[in-house]
Amino acid sequence: EVQLVESGGGLVKPGGSLRLSCAASGFTFSTYSMTWVRQAPGKGLEWVSSISSDSTYIYYAHSVKGRFTVSRDNAKNSLYLQMNSLRAEDTAVYYCARKYISNYWFDPWGQGTLVTVSS
Amino acid sequence: QSALTQPRSVSGSPGQSVTVSCTGTSSDVGGYNYVSWYQQHPGKAPKLMIYDVSKRPSGVPDRFSGSKSGNTASLTISGLQAEDEADYYCCSYAGSNIWVFGGGTKLTAL
Repeated sequence: EVQLVESGGGLVKPGGSLRLSCAASGFTFSTYSMTWVRQAPGKGLEWVSSISSDSTYIYYAHSVKGRFTVSRDNAKNSLYLQMNSLRAEDTAVYYCARKYISNYWFDPWGQGTLVTVSS
Repeated sequence: QSALTQPRSVSGSPGQSVTVSCTGTSSDVGGYNYVSWYQQHPGKAPKLMIYDVSKRPSGVPDRFSGSKSGNTASLTISGLQAEDEADYYCCSYAGSNIWVFGGGTKLTAL
């Protein structure tokens, strides 16, 4: 069974940092691109970042560029999101999702991890 | 990149058909046949329901269908069932490896 499990969320002060992880299982992780999508409380979904299967290509939404860094470790079947200079507006549930290299949709998604930025 | 525009809510009685619209621009919805739709029940992760405008993943009931005309995509649910009550989000590729989502539509089964 394909499974994605996020972790690392929590409460952090404005200006602080947090590192999210996404553990993948049930598929050949190294052959898929991966994506982070977030959802602020009571709001819609927002694409955050994508990384290609071999980390060659990395893309960010304008709202997080320069503050967030996506990475992956194919040997550990894991995806990461390093979040620095956090702002209140970064408060959201962060989901990781799988994307096949030549496809334009995300499936499946993990259950998400909540990040709260507050003093 | 601005979010795609969806109605905040739609409703229908069991057995009826309901349609959720998703309006973008020629730079996203109108420019690519890469619209996908996601269903999200409260407290749950989004689930892929439609991809590439009108294709259904294995396991998704054929009551769900998608279409596109110009800069507007649509998700239609025929024969509405109680378990279809959820939030629905459209998503479009916007070029340069960027994706944009809609604001979400709350579907209520009356």
